[in-house]
Order: sequence, then C-alpha cells, then structure tokens
Amino acid sequence: EIVLTQSPDTLSLSPGERATLSCRASRSVGNNYLAWFQQKPGQAPRLLIYTASIRATGIPDRFSGSGSGTDFSLTITRLEPEDFAVYYCQQHAYSPLNFGGGTRLES
Amino acid sequence: QITLKESGPTLVKPTQTLTLTCTFSGFSLSTTAVGVAWIRQPPGKALEWLALIYWDDNKQYSPSLKSRLTITKDTAKNQVVLTMTNMDPVDTATYFCAHCAGWLNDYWGPGTVVTVSS
Repeated sequence: EIVLTQSPDTLSLSPGERATLSCRASRSVGNNYLAWFQQKPGQAPRLLIYTASIRATGIPDRFSGSGSGTDFSLTITRLEPEDFAVYYCQQHAYSPLNFGGGTRLES
Repeated sequence: QITLKESGPTLVKPTQTLTLTCTFSGFSLSTTAVGVAWIRQPPGKALEWLALIYWDDNKQYSPSLKSRLTITKDTAKNQVVLTMTNMDPVDTATYFCAHCAGWLNDYWGPGTVVTVSS
C-alpha cells in the first residue's frame, strides 16, 4: 500500500501570503491520481484538487496543485481568512485509498 | 444534486458490533464506475479510509481492519451499510460516507459521531 507523508505538520502564515503544502508518496502514484481536501472544524472534508492538478467544481483559482510520481504540492496564493483549515492529501489510484496525516494551516 | 447522510448509534459498548447506514440521493449505485466509501476520523486525528463498494459489488477494505469490516449495498433503497465487529474505545470517531467517482471521494456526508464506552 502507498503511504502518504505530508509536511509541514503546521504552517503559520498571514492573510495575503502564499502557502505551499507538500505530500510525498512511498511509491509512485499511478496516473498522478492524487487529491487534496480542505477540512474545517466540525465539517466534512471538501474536495479541492484531483489528479494532482485539476480543480474541483467551484474551487477558486487561488488553489492549485502540482507534482507527479511521488512528490506533490498544493499552493494557495493570497491566503484568505477562510483558507485557514486542515488540508489532507489522498491517493485515488490504488486500494487502500490512504490519506496523508494532514497539514494545519493557521493564522 | 448528490447528497449523503450517515446514521447509526452514537454510543456502543466494547466488543459490540457497530452498524452504520449511508443513505444517499442524486446518484445510483447501479451506474458504472460509481461507488460509496466509508472514512473515519478519531477526535483530533487524521482521516482513515475504511472501505468501498462499487456498482458491480466489488468491495475493497483497509488491510488493517479487513477482518472486522463488512460493506454491503441496497441499490433499491439507495443505501450502503458498514458493519464493524468487536468495537473498542480506539474506534471512537466521526464516521463519514462519501460518493466515489472511480476511486475519487468527491461528495461527502456530514458524518456521524460514534463513541465506544462501557
């Protein structure tokens, strides 16, 4: 199975700044089937990005994903107050469809 | 519009079996490449993928929990049921179900909190 390691655990930034979150896979993710989710307290995760770089419906263009093989990243340009949350990556290529441990983005 | 909602007991005792139901609308589990997955999240911890069932009854399980999990579907009722045997306090978590397009969890239910305690 593929193990996903996210870094950093916590990222402290201010509104207006740029955030870059990392997700590293223990082996190559087929077809770059890597997704990113945002989760706020008390809510279900929301799909942001899939297949490494495709934005889900309704996701603002300040969110972008990149990477291939084993190294992926999520970039948020010009942080808005509502972007402070926990972010998870998940590979959607092979069962089991494991998640990373998450990155907390705090203000 | 795709919606999902989880239901089941909020409190179970250790060693009991947990049965959770995911009731959905806006899609059919008889459609090719469509599935429903279960994911859980212990308080303050990360998401953990548990199981998935597809339109063709293909089932996938987390290797670490496979012996304790069973996932089934009732296509006519638009429901997916997850059972987990031999519950333990470490199984205390919020349990989510999610629509799967291929193997992508694109729509999620709000989650249901399950506490395991005597």
